[in-house]
Amino acid sequence: ETGVTQSPTHLIKTRGQQVTLRCSSQSGHNTVSWYQQALGQGPQFIFQYYREEENGRGNFPPRFSGLQFPNYSSELNVNALELDDSALYLCASSSGTSGIWYFGPGTRLLVL
Amino acid sequence: GEDVEQSLFLSVREGDSSVINCTYTDSSSTYLYWYKQEPGAGLQLLTYIFSNMDMKQDQRLTVLLNKKDKHLSLRIADTQTGDSAIYFCGGSQGNLIFGKGTKLSVKP
Repeated sequence: ETGVTQSPTHLIKTRGQQVTLRCSSQSGHNTVSWYQQALGQGPQFIFQYYREEENGRGNFPPRFSGLQFPNYSSELNVNALELDDSALYLCASSSGTSGIWYFGPGTRLLVL
Repeated sequence: GEDVEQSLFLSVREGDSSVINCTYTDSSSTYLYWYKQEPGAGLQLLTYIFSNMDMKQDQRLTVLLNKKDKHLSLRIADTQTGDSAIYFCGGSQGNLIFGKGTKLSVKP
């Protein structure tokens, strides 16, 4: 059984640029959610996708957007990057029936 | 919405038991979780408890849930240096809500 994977592992961008982060869910999982973890903080919920539809969103502006694909992998897109977007971005997947969440290793984004 | 609080630091000696505590405000979570995060890594699921249970034991880990007081705890028996990490408790209302994490330091 393959766990949750994310790419890239690290990324450096400059303010105003756009970034796309990718996540492959664990085998058999149809629900994916994304979290932002700033340094020294707990992860904050960005949004969730179930069967290619967004079905929950946290308190993040519209420049944070996402997609889920038919194979249940997912992308997180962030436009007009700001310095405060520097964080560890975590993807988690779950089987809709169990609700147990498994996390990937994260993508560390640095915005200069 | 849900609010989850944890103490920020805990220091124990190797071989002792560690108890990490967590309080939460919303009792509608189906599951309550404990995750472990090592430096620079993602969150590793340690254990979880269904909301209608009081206790769950899994090898060195014991989870206690007091629904009346909205209190969750994680006990690690025979704590090892490899247990040094940040521990997050979280509730699930579809998505996960986390506290700020408790940094466990284990001294040899």
